[in-house]
Amino acid sequence: EAGVVQSPRYKIIEKKQPVAFWCNPISGHNTLYWYRQNLGQGPELLIRYENEEAVDDSQLPKDRFSAERLKGVDSTLKIQPAELGDSAVYLCASSSSGNRDSGYEQYFGPGTRLTVT
Amino acid sequence: GNSVTQMEGPVTLSEEAFLTINCTYTATGYPSLFWYVQYPGEGLQLLLKATKADDKGSNKGFEATYRKETTSFHLEKGSVQVSDSAVYFCALSGGGRFGAGTRLTVKP
Repeated sequence: EAGVVQSPRYKIIEKKQPVAFWCNPISGHNTLYWYRQNLGQGPELLIRYENEEAVDDSQLPKDRFSAERLKGVDSTLKIQPAELGDSAVYLCASSSSGNRDSGYEQYFGPGTRLTVT
Repeated sequence: GNSVTQMEGPVTLSEEAFLTINCTYTATGYPSLFWYVQYPGEGLQLLLKATKADDKGSNKGFEATYRKETTSFHLEKGSVQVSDSAVYFCALSGGGRFGAGTRLTVKP
């Protein structure tokens, strides 16, 4: 079974430039998460999707961040314009909400390391 | 809202020492509880989980028991190895809430 796929793995951009991250979750997983992880900290939830619907975007800085999950599968997270403080690792994870026995454990992608200069 | 409070590190132990990393949570309902691990240079992966009160999750010699009365899910291992050096995260299901992480270094 293929895992969660993310691209790109690394991205270096100048401040004020736009950037986009892509995530392909595990097949059949209807819940998708985007996290930001700063160095030495735990993942911070940015947005959670159940199928196409964003059910928790309370931590998403909506003035510059946007996300979409068309057709309830792949998802894209965008930052426009990027700021120096956006440098972090952006993680995508997925889980299956239909499997209560699994406890809704999340499977993580390798992340995208963003550096804003 | 839901939250996780995790013992701050870093923690440095000698090989074969006993490990405890404390985790307490605040949540509505009955969440599942998880410990994830991040080895150097690798992504987050599930270490163990417990889906209901009094469940004990275990894997690779690590254990944690879901204690509803104390809202805790402490991670333990009786004898750590150098290969256990990593960052450990406690987490709740549903809302994607993670603790801040505890960095463990095991010295030979």
